[in-house]
Amino acid sequence: DAGVIQSPRHEVTEMGQEVTLRCKPISGHNSLFWYRQTMMRGLELLIYFNNNVPIDDSGMPEDRFSAKMPNASFSTLKIQPSEPRDSAVYFCATSGGGGGFELDYNSPLHFGNGTRLTVT
Amino acid sequence: AQSVAQPEDQVNVAEGNPLTVKCTYSVSGNPYLFWYVQYPNRGLQFLLKYITGDNLVKGSYGFEAEFNKSQTSFHLKKPSALVSDSALYFCAVRDMGAGNNRKLIWGLGTSLAVNP
Repeated sequence: DAGVIQSPRHEVTEMGQEVTLRCKPISGHNSLFWYRQTMMRGLELLIYFNNNVPIDDSGMPEDRFSAKMPNASFSTLKIQPSEPRDSAVYFCATSGGGGGFELDYNSPLHFGNGTRLTVT
Repeated sequence: AQSVAQPEDQVNVAEGNPLTVKCTYSVSGNPYLFWYVQYPNRGLQFLLKYITGDNLVKGSYGFEAEFNKSQTSFHLKKPSALVSDSALYFCAVRDMGAGNNRKLIWGLGTSLAVNP
């Protein structure tokens, strides 16, 4: 199992540019989470999907952020336009695989290695 | 309000000595408790969880944690620390009480340094 795969690992962009972060979940996991990690605020949940459907996007900081999960194998997090305060490490995590349709609260999260975003 | 506290930003321990990383929580319902470890430039990795049953749970890499309901704590322990245990450790809790949103609440992390 290759685990959760995120790309790119590093992204450096200028303020105002569009940024797209990508995530390939573990096969069979039915829940997908996008987190942001900073020194100041720690880990913040941005949005999560269950069976490809967005369930809770209350953590998305602004309308500049959007996320999609068009199928069970792929998700994107987009920032448009990007700002310096968006600089952080963005993680995708997945869980589930127990065969149920509901969110599996017992199941631990499996994290990708993150995308380090720097906006100058 | 639901919360998780990791009261120590940093823990230093000598190799071979026992280590403890503390975690306390506040929830209204039954807690599901988790520990994760993060190595530099990597994502978080699951170590262990408490859902129900025996208060002492064992996990990966020789770690264990004890659920203490009266003290609302879930401290992470290891009998003999290794230099390779040096990393950032996160405690997380899910409030399973009725009517709660059941999101994972994360601590801010504790940096463990094991000195040779």
